[in-house]
Amino acid sequence: KQEVTQIPAALSVPEGENLVLNCSFTDSAIYNLQWFRQDPGKGLTSLLLIQSSQREQTSGRLNASLDKSSGRSTLYIAASQPGDSATYLCAVKGGSEKLVFGKGTKLTVNP
Amino acid sequence: DAGVIQSPRHEVTEMGQEVTLRCKPISGHNSLFWYRQTMMRGLELLIYFNNNVPIDDSGMPEDRFSAKMPNASFSTLKIQPSEPRDSAVYFCASSPYTTGYVYEQYFGPGTRLTVT
Repeated sequence: KQEVTQIPAALSVPEGENLVLNCSFTDSAIYNLQWFRQDPGKGLTSLLLIQSSQREQTSGRLNASLDKSSGRSTLYIAASQPGDSATYLCAVKGGSEKLVFGKGTKLTVNP
Repeated sequence: DAGVIQSPRHEVTEMGQEVTLRCKPISGHNSLFWYRQTMMRGLELLIYFNNNVPIDDSGMPEDRFSAKMPNASFSTLKIQPSEPRDSAVYFCASSPYTTGYVYEQYFGPGTRLTVT
């Protein structure tokens, strides 16, 4: 059974800092990995999707990497801003259409 | 596009009552997913449909939960009878038909259910 773990559960940083969020999964037989952002009281917004054949994806200040063999992904946020404060979730897709989610990392960027 | 639409946004009900949550997926998407999010268990998939047909309902916690998708633009998740432990945020998501590994789910804003 696929399990997804995100460390740390919470992170607080000063504005402008570069930071890394971690995601690990137990079964490396995945089709893709997706990073989401969730604001309080809101739904999930997809940030980046990495296919299993890819090593990384970039969107603006965000860069996600994938090491399928070791079961790890990282989300790098450059020059963090208070508006980046949210919970970040990663999810992996295996052979079915199911996504298995981690419990997320709650990020607070302090002005 | 309006995105995935869920109603109601908030529901407060008493234990034993029937609860119906509604979802309208993005037009043209043919996969629909119901999730439940709690602090303890995180985000869990309850059931998903392809072309209005339930494919995997292994995440449905028990017989009190049922889901239907009578057409491509509407789905319901029903809890009868409701219990306090059903209190959670319920999300609906949809995705387009995909080929290969390209796949992305689009989430609705969720329904916050409180059962007292």
